[in-house]
Amino acid sequence: RKEVEQDPGPFNVPEGATVAFNCTYSNSASQSFFWYRQDCRKEPKLLMSVYSSGNEDGRFTAQLNRASQYISLLIRDSKLSDSATYLCVVNQAGTALIFGKGTTLSVSS
Amino acid sequence: EAGVAQSPRYKIIEKRQSVAFWCNPISGHATLYWYQQILGQGPKLLIQFQNNGVVDDSQLPKDRFSAERLKGVDSTLKIQPAKLEDSAVYLCASSPNRAWGVEAFFGQGTRLTVV
Repeated sequence: RKEVEQDPGPFNVPEGATVAFNCTYSNSASQSFFWYRQDCRKEPKLLMSVYSSGNEDGRFTAQLNRASQYISLLIRDSKLSDSATYLCVVNQAGTALIFGKGTTLSVSS
Repeated sequence: EAGVAQSPRYKIIEKRQSVAFWCNPISGHATLYWYQQILGQGPKLLIQFQNNGVVDDSQLPKDRFSAERLKGVDSTLKIQPAKLEDSAVYLCASSPNRAWGVEAFFGQGTRLTVV
């Protein structure tokens, strides 16, 4: 079983749609959780950290369920500029970030 | 603030040749990582340094890959000899501590093609 699993997609949605990405992780000792965004042929960049209580940043909402070892990202009112690959990332104390394969989102007009 | 610098941006070599990549992390960042990203995959850790010591190199193919971080600042990653399956983007990242709960900042990467 892979450490971090994501549905690779692609997700093709129209502008204005709401889209949700899911991610599961295998190591219950994981302590930090993130969503990174990667544009085509660019480096990954932090989109948002994920906290146990859930957190929101504008149109983006992240949720964490430790009991189910599940992380989600919800994007509301999708924009063309949201088209990218979204990487689910987990981390334990003292270790490097572990990345999922990524989920590709394509938003069309 | 200057970001993570990597060079070269692109490299094409023949199989069995050698290649080296260079990374300069963000000033003051103690932790440096090298990741390998194959097309369609997420980044996979090759090696993690804390200052000039190795924290994790369990996924580094040590028969052909080597990395060093002299003086705890710049780092080089070498492949010798290269194989076709080494074609990938090699990403260097740094963070101000051991990345627990802290963002890692990535360089633009070196795109390696082995022919």
